[in-house]
Amino acid sequence: EVQLVESGGGLVQPGRSLRLSCVASGFTFDDHSMHWVRQAPGKGLEWVSGISWNGNVIAYADSVQGRFIISRDNAKNSLSLQMNSLRAEDMALYYCTRGAGTNLVGEGYHFDNWGQGTLVTVSS
Amino acid sequence: NIMLTQPPSVSESPGKTITISCTLRGGNIAGNFLQWYQQRPGSSPTTVIFEHYHRPSGVPDRFSGSIDRQSNSASLTISGLRTEDEGYYYCQSYGDNIKGVFGGGTKVTVL
Repeated sequence: EVQLVESGGGLVQPGRSLRLSCVASGFTFDDHSMHWVRQAPGKGLEWVSGISWNGNVIAYADSVQGRFIISRDNAKNSLSLQMNSLRAEDMALYYCTRGAGTNLVGEGYHFDNWGQGTLVTVSS
Repeated sequence: NIMLTQPPSVSESPGKTITISCTLRGGNIAGNFLQWYQQRPGSSPTTVIFEHYHRPSGVPDRFSGSIDRQSNSASLTISGLRTEDEGYYYCQSYGDNIKGVFGGGTKVTVL
């Protein structure tokens, strides 16, 4: 059974940093692209960032470009999101999702499995 | 950057058929794969249609996907509407700049 378990969310002041983690199990981690998707309270889904199976190709939403850094450790089956210079508008439930394919194209952009999410609250 | 536009809400009685549209701006609807996700309250999204037309195992054939090249849009059709179909539905794809994008979501209410 595929499992994606996020952690690292919490309350953080504007301008500070936070690091989210996702541990994957139940599948061959390096056969898949991985992504972060967020959902602000009462709002829709927003794609945040994606990384190819080997970490060589990375993409970010314009809203987080230059502030967030996605990375993966295939030896530890883990995905991370380093979030810097946090803003009130970054407050959301952050989901770790698996791409059905290896790269950031085609089936790699089908989010076929989702975690339960970790909540990030940005407030002073 | 591409943009996907959905109607904010759709309502219909049980047993009826609804269609949710997803209009693409800034790209070619047939160019990159498009998915549809269902999100029930308090739950993570799940796929109902992937790669424009395909249903994951376990999704009933009441759900179908299509595209219209003329209007540059995709559609999700749910037939034989059931109360369990209530929730939000999101279309999703990606641009040639390899950035992902979601539509704004459509709330489905079964009257």
